[in-house]
Amino acid sequence: GIQVEQSPPDLILQEGANSTLRCNFSDSVNNLQWFHQNPWGQLINLFYIPSGTKQNGRLSATTVATERYSLLYISSSQTTDSGVYFCAVVTSGTYKYIFGTGTRLKVLA
Amino acid sequence: NAGVTQTPKFQVLKTGQSMTLQCAQDMNHEYMSWYRQDPGMGLRLIHYSVGAGITDQGEVPNGYNVSRSTTEDFPLRLLSAAPSQTSVYFCASSGGGTSGANVLTFGAGSRLTVL
Repeated sequence: GIQVEQSPPDLILQEGANSTLRCNFSDSVNNLQWFHQNPWGQLINLFYIPSGTKQNGRLSATTVATERYSLLYISSSQTTDSGVYFCAVVTSGTYKYIFGTGTRLKVLA
Repeated sequence: NAGVTQTPKFQVLKTGQSMTLQCAQDMNHEYMSWYRQDPGMGLRLIHYSVGAGITDQGEVPNGYNVSRSTTEDFPLRLLSAAPSQTSVYFCASSGGGTSGANVLTFGAGSRLTVL
């Protein structure tokens, strides 16, 4: 089955810094989403982005489907950005979301 | 609008006991799914459903049963609990399967401990 790898596994930033999180996948996909899991365990969808670029405030994401990776950019990080960021993919013809193991982000005040 | 509701939030079981985790959504979503989250392993798909009466296995289905008799409800049954099933369980739903702009909406999670 498809493999989904995220890097880095852990990241510590000072408030105000920028960061880039990466998601690599091993097969073509027709669905890719980024999620944030806050310190209380709640999972929130950030982007649906099987290809192209999207922006939402300080967050943006880019997926290069032909090269099988997606990037999540966080600018001017805030302590509320702390938590774990997951990407999830679905390969064509299936209904199975496969998640990466996540990037754990800690933003220090 | 409640979204996806999971019950119970916490449960402690003894090895061999059975239980059902409940999941209900009020968004008329066709797609529903169950995941387990273990430390360092992300979320793994247990079972999913693309509509009432239709279910299928995910990555880690052993030890779990599901059914989908209505659009709203998708319960997860543990037939004979084992310590390896200690985990946090999440239910999620989306509007039109897995294609298109059908983002997953998650419930708050259920923390299960099997002694």
